[in-house]
Amino acid sequence: GAVVSQHPSRVICKSGTSVKIECRSLDFQATTMFWYRQFPKQSLMLMATSNEGSKATYEQGVEKDKFLINHASLTLSTLTVTSAHPEDSSFYICSARDLGTSGGARDTQYFGPGTRLTVL
Amino acid sequence: SQQGEEDPQALSIQEGENATMNCSYKTSINNLQWYRQNSGRGLVHLILIRSNEREKHSGRLRVTLDTSKKSSSLLITASRAADTASYFCATDDSGYSTLTFGKGTMLLVSP
Repeated sequence: GAVVSQHPSRVICKSGTSVKIECRSLDFQATTMFWYRQFPKQSLMLMATSNEGSKATYEQGVEKDKFLINHASLTLSTLTVTSAHPEDSSFYICSARDLGTSGGARDTQYFGPGTRLTVL
Repeated sequence: SQQGEEDPQALSIQEGENATMNCSYKTSINNLQWYRQNSGRGLVHLILIRSNEREKHSGRLRVTLDTSKKSSSLLITASRAADTASYFCATDDSGYSTLTFGKGTMLLVSP
């Protein structure tokens, strides 16, 4: 089955620093990846759509200068939280859309294991 | 915005019983997907059902879709303690695969 990895799984940083989170599709190519954040006991909120080779599309209310997204290849998207503050502490999850090349149903989104960010 | 709304919000059953979760949505969809999330972990994809499909099965899982009522249900048969998790439905209503998640159902299966 299709596998999506995220790194790191957990990060603790000081306020004001930047944190980069990587999302990789391991056994399929993903022209489109998605970044979500999830607060405790809540559902996932889409932050942005990452398109390989072009600019990301951000959801309303998400600051593009604060959450920098780069989709440099068909298997890698990165999310950089710049000048992190305690309110950015959250669980960040990426997903990759499968076009059917992994053997699963086309349009299925496979999710990474998530990154727990804690900003002190 | 939240489109899918699952009910119940929480469900507690005994091992061996069946668990049914429902999802309602508001707009036309391209497909609907069900996911499972264990506490503090990522999401595991369960089933994708397209708008022109009415029912799909995968192991102990059965998903139905009624586009006239804009609703879907997930049935887990012969539940196990390992099925304890939160279950989310997510709709793709854009055709561009941007998923909108419901609030989820927390399922607790007791041994």
